[in-house]
Amino acid sequence: KAGVTQTPRYLIKTRGQQVTLSCSPISGHRSVSWYQQTPGQGLQFLFEYFSETQRNKGNFPGRFSGRQFSNSRSEMNVSTLELGDSALYLCASSLARGPIVYGYTFGSGTRLTVV
Amino acid sequence: SQQGEEDPQALSIQEGENATMNCSYKTSINNLQWYRQNSGRGLVHLILIRSNEREKHSGRLRVTLDTSKKSSSLLITASRAADTASYFCATDLTSGSRLTFGEGTQLTVNP
Repeated sequence: KAGVTQTPRYLIKTRGQQVTLSCSPISGHRSVSWYQQTPGQGLQFLFEYFSETQRNKGNFPGRFSGRQFSNSRSEMNVSTLELGDSALYLCASSLARGPIVYGYTFGSGTRLTVV
Repeated sequence: SQQGEEDPQALSIQEGENATMNCSYKTSINNLQWYRQNSGRGLVHLILIRSNEREKHSGRLRVTLDTSKKSSSLLITASRAADTASYFCATDLTSGSRLTFGEGTQLTVNP
C-alpha cells in the first residue's frame, strides 16, 4: 500500500511570505502528526490531528497552524515566514491516536528554505 | 527541550562489527521507539518497546529498556554499510500521544 506522501519535496520562500505543506497519510490511518527538524533544535512536535480535530499542539507560535480534512489528508500552514523556519517538516501517520502502539510511519518530508 | 539524550553523538565502525547506541530520558513513558533516518529524509520506524518490557529483538536489532535508570540501548549486530544513518530514540510520554525525540546518533559503517 502507498506510504505517507508529502508535497512538495522542496520549497524556497522569502521572509514574510506564507507557505502550505500537504500530507496524505496511509490509507485507513486517521491520525496525522507534524514534526519540525532543524540542526539546532532537532525533531520537535508541532501538532497532531485526528478525525479533523487538533488533539495536541507543541510549543510553536500561532504562525504555525494546520488542519485535517475528512479524508484524513492534512495541511500545515506557516505565515509570516522567518529565516528560522527553515527546516525539514515531517508528517507521520498512525492508525489511531495515543497511546501509540505500532509506531509512526513518516513521509519523506518537505525541505523548506526561507531566504 | 529534548526529552532524551543519546550517546554517542557519532559512531564509526567497520562492517561486521556491532554498534551500540544509548538513550536516556527524563520522565515516565508508555513506550520507547527507535527510528532510523537516512541523509535528512523521512524517519523509518525500527522497533517499539513497551514500558513493561525489558528486551526486544527484531532481526539484527536488539533493544533493551531499563525504566529504573530511564535508559535504553539499541544494538545492531553484524553491521553493514547500508546501516549508515542517524538513529533516534523517541519516547511516548504517559501524558499524551506525541513522540519526544532524542538528539540522535550518527552511525557510519565503513565497508
